[in-house]
Amino acid sequence: DGGITQSPKYLFRKEGQNVTLSCEQNLNHDAMYWYRQDPGQGLRLIYYSQIVNDFQKGDIAEGYSVSREKKESFPLTVTSAQKNPTAFYLCASSSLDRSNQPQHFGDGTRLSIL
Amino acid sequence: AQSVTQPDIHITVSEGASLELRCNYSYGATPYLFWYVQSPGQGLQLLLKYFSGDTLVQGIKGFEAEFKRSQSSFNLRKPSVHWSDAAEYFCAVVLLDRGSTLGRLYFGRGTQLTVWP
Repeated sequence: DGGITQSPKYLFRKEGQNVTLSCEQNLNHDAMYWYRQDPGQGLRLIYYSQIVNDFQKGDIAEGYSVSREKKESFPLTVTSAQKNPTAFYLCASSSLDRSNQPQHFGDGTRLSIL
Repeated sequence: AQSVTQPDIHITVSEGASLELRCNYSYGATPYLFWYVQSPGQGLQLLLKYFSGDTLVQGIKGFEAEFKRSQSSFNLRKPSVHWSDAAEYFCAVVLLDRGSTLGRLYFGRGTQLTVWP
C-alpha cells in the first residue's frame, strides 16, 4: 500500500541534543512538508520541499533543519536551538500536477523533552 | 492575518444527531478548500475537497460540505453522527505562494467533536 511512514512514533530529547525525525513516502510525490502541531493551534508549517536538493522555510523554521537527498525521504532535525520542541510532528506529501492536489499525511511523531 | 477560522473549539452532540462544523476563510479569489479529520495520536485523513463547480461536495464517511461564496464559508455537515466520528476536524485552504506553483495549506485551529452515546 502506498503511503507515508514516520518514525519513530515517540521520541525523547535531552537538553542540548539534536534529534532527527524520519519521513518516507512511496507515493511518488514531488512535494513534501513538515508540520508542527500544538494543542489548540492547528498545524504550522516548518519546512517544505518541491524537488530533490531544494527546500524552503515555512512559518516556524527556526531551530529546525531538513534535507531532501532523495525524492522519497524528507528527514527533519530538531536542533538544540529549538527551545520548545515538545509537540506532535506531522509529515505530508502531495503531487505537483496541479496546485490543488490534497496532501497526504503520515501518522506523526510525538517528541518530548527528558 | 489568519486565512481560516473555525469558531467552535469543542462541540458535543448525541449519537444519531445531526452535525455542522463551521469554517470561514479570508481570501479574495475562490480558494481550494479541504476538510481533514484526525483521531487521537494519528495523522490527518482527507474527508472532502472543493475546487470548483457544484458547491455541495460529498466526502467519505457520510460527510458533506457546502461552499458559500457570499458568506466565505465551507461548513461540514453530517445528518446522523456515529460514536466513531469523535475526533478533531480541521478546515484548510490552499493558497499559492507568490512566484510559486506550489499551493500551501493553511489550517484552522480545529474543532474537537465529542459524541455522547
